[in-house]
Amino acid sequence: GDSVTQTEGQVALSEEDFLTIHCNYSASGYPALFWYVQYPGEGPQFLFRASRDKEKGSSRGFEATYNKEATSFHLQKASVQESDSAVYYCALSDQAGSFNKLTFGAGTRLAVCP
Amino acid sequence: GPKVLQIPSHQIIDMGQMVTLNCDPVSNHLYFYWYKQILGQQMEFLVNFYNGKVMEKSKLFKDQFSVERPDGSYFTLKIQPTALEDSAVYFCASSSGLGGDYEQYFGPGTRLTVL
Repeated sequence: GDSVTQTEGQVALSEEDFLTIHCNYSASGYPALFWYVQYPGEGPQFLFRASRDKEKGSSRGFEATYNKEATSFHLQKASVQESDSAVYYCALSDQAGSFNKLTFGAGTRLAVCP
Repeated sequence: GPKVLQIPSHQIIDMGQMVTLNCDPVSNHLYFYWYKQILGQQMEFLVNFYNGKVMEKSKLFKDQFSVERPDGSYFTLKIQPTALEDSAVYFCASSSGLGGDYEQYFGPGTRLTVL
């Protein structure tokens, strides 16, 4: 079945550092790719998506580019802030119509120190 | 932004009892989902629901599980009887599906503890 792998379980940075969270996927079809962010006590919030090869998704300074050849969708931000501390989930959805159930990665906990 | 509410936030029950988890989805949304997250593990899809019917379910959606949304009220997940391995956080989500927009909005989750 489809799967999503996030390399980093935890990332600790200082404010204004550059962030990369690695996401690779395995899917039989041509999935849509997502990033979600989860703050303590809340459910995951949609950050952005990309639906086709080389498409860039972005929101709130975060971005990721769909790379079909590398099966990747790495999250980046040029300068993180303490308020970015949260758990980040990469996810995929089969665009061929499975009513868009999401397959999530394990999540990456980002801690940003002032 | 649009909010999905879940009631209760925590539930503790004895093994073998029945439990109903309630979800108040975004008002104009048509598609509804349940996901399960065991502590320390990744979130996994359980079931999705549209037009009064289960459209797809995973292998985690055991025979003891059922979902419904009677008369446009809460979207519910019922587990009867519960087992120890049902202890997890259950997240409800909804999406509009209109114009191809399937962005899912998640509730804050219900933490279920089965003793």
